[in-house]
Amino acid sequence: GENVGLHLPTLSVQEGDNSIINCAYSNSASDYFIWYKQESGKGPQFIIDIRSNMDKRQGQRVTVLLNKTVKHLSLQIAATQPGDSAVYFCAEMETSYDKVIFGPGTSLSVIP
Amino acid sequence: EADIYQTPRYLVIGTGKKITLECSQTMGHDKMYWYQQDPGMELHLIHYSYGVNSTEKGDLSSESTVSRIRTEHFPLTLESARPSHTSQYLCASSETGYNSPLHFGNGTRLTVT
Repeated sequence: GENVGLHLPTLSVQEGDNSIINCAYSNSASDYFIWYKQESGKGPQFIIDIRSNMDKRQGQRVTVLLNKTVKHLSLQIAATQPGDSAVYFCAEMETSYDKVIFGPGTSLSVIP
Repeated sequence: EADIYQTPRYLVIGTGKKITLECSQTMGHDKMYWYQQDPGMELHLIHYSYGVNSTEKGDLSSESTVSRIRTEHFPLTLESARPSHTSQYLCASSETGYNSPLHFGNGTRLTVT
């Protein structure tokens, strides 16, 4: 079936560096994408979303890039901080089905 | 910060017991969801609801049941808990309409002995 997957299961970055977390999706009909951050013992927290009519969206210290040609999504975190350490999930939605599908997470560790 | 609340946060229970996991949201969202998540793994949808008296099974087969009598409340029940039910259960809600992100509670971590 259709699925969303991540290239890297773990990522370690130095504090202050930029982080890039990648995600591949296989459903070409997906038109809405979301990034979530999940800290230990908590539920996923919404970070940023992007619709398929856009290829870039920026938030506070975060940027999501969408490449529909290769079905690739990335989350960029600027000036990574220890508080950014968490598991990050990308999720996709095909509007007509109105269901969110989550991929496996990437664990981000920030080295002080 | 969270407007969606789950109780209990942790539950250890013996095999065969009936349990209900509570979920309430104060945002007036029509859509609510239950996901099951093993540690460090992806989330699997087990139930969802588009409004009062609406419940549907998700993609992952589950022996649990849900009810939606009030907009703000979406409890999940296991009639007879088994060790295979040990997992984290996450409740979420979203606004009516398309392209709305899910808002999650902090989950209930269930252990069945």
